[in-house]
Amino acid sequence: DVKVTQSSRYLVKRTGEKVFLECVQDMDHENMFWYRQDPGLGLRLIYFSYDVKMKEKGDIPEGYSVSREKKERFSLILESASTNQTSMYLCASSLTAFYGYTFGSGTRLTVV
Amino acid sequence: DQQVKQNSPSLSVQEGRISILNCDYTNSMFDYFLWYKKYPAEGPTFLISISSIKDKNEDGRFTVFLNKSAKHLSLHIVPSQPGDSAVYFCAASAGSNYQLIWGAGTKLIIKP
Repeated sequence: DVKVTQSSRYLVKRTGEKVFLECVQDMDHENMFWYRQDPGLGLRLIYFSYDVKMKEKGDIPEGYSVSREKKERFSLILESASTNQTSMYLCASSLTAFYGYTFGSGTRLTVV
Repeated sequence: DQQVKQNSPSLSVQEGRISILNCDYTNSMFDYFLWYKKYPAEGPTFLISISSIKDKNEDGRFTVFLNKSAKHLSLHIVPSQPGDSAVYFCAASAGSNYQLIWGAGTKLIIKP
């Protein structure tokens, strides 16, 4: 089974801090995704990557950047955390573009 | 503009009865639909999918129905069990598009 591991389950950061969320998958998947989940809004795509060093903006990229230096690792960076970035962040990987997403357990980030 | 809509934020069903979760979409280019299930503090997990060439797909207690003319799909769970209590997300894809478009989710509560 594919395993997607997110480095932290819970994080509390201060406004203005630079925040790194790490995601690692162990099944050699090409595609990796970062979502945030907010009540009533479902899953919104922040960024995705379909290959090493490749990245594409999703629906809500503002305030975020990503890094994919190795196939198995996809990092989400909040350049200067703000309170409206308090959310559940979910990483996923998939073999094909739209099928068989495997999600990590999520990181609940609180920005104070 | 939400392309995938789950209009019921929550649904309460008696154990043993049928649960019906609904999803509407606006983009006629969508040709692949998926349902994911999410427990609190976990990432979503794949449940069942259907391609637009079919109007029904069944997997055990779970059946997904697709009505292309109405741009509507539904997930039926029969019989409902306490472990089915979770948030259910509907998602759609337009073929080779990398992105899944997600609904806002419906929280299903199974009452004993």
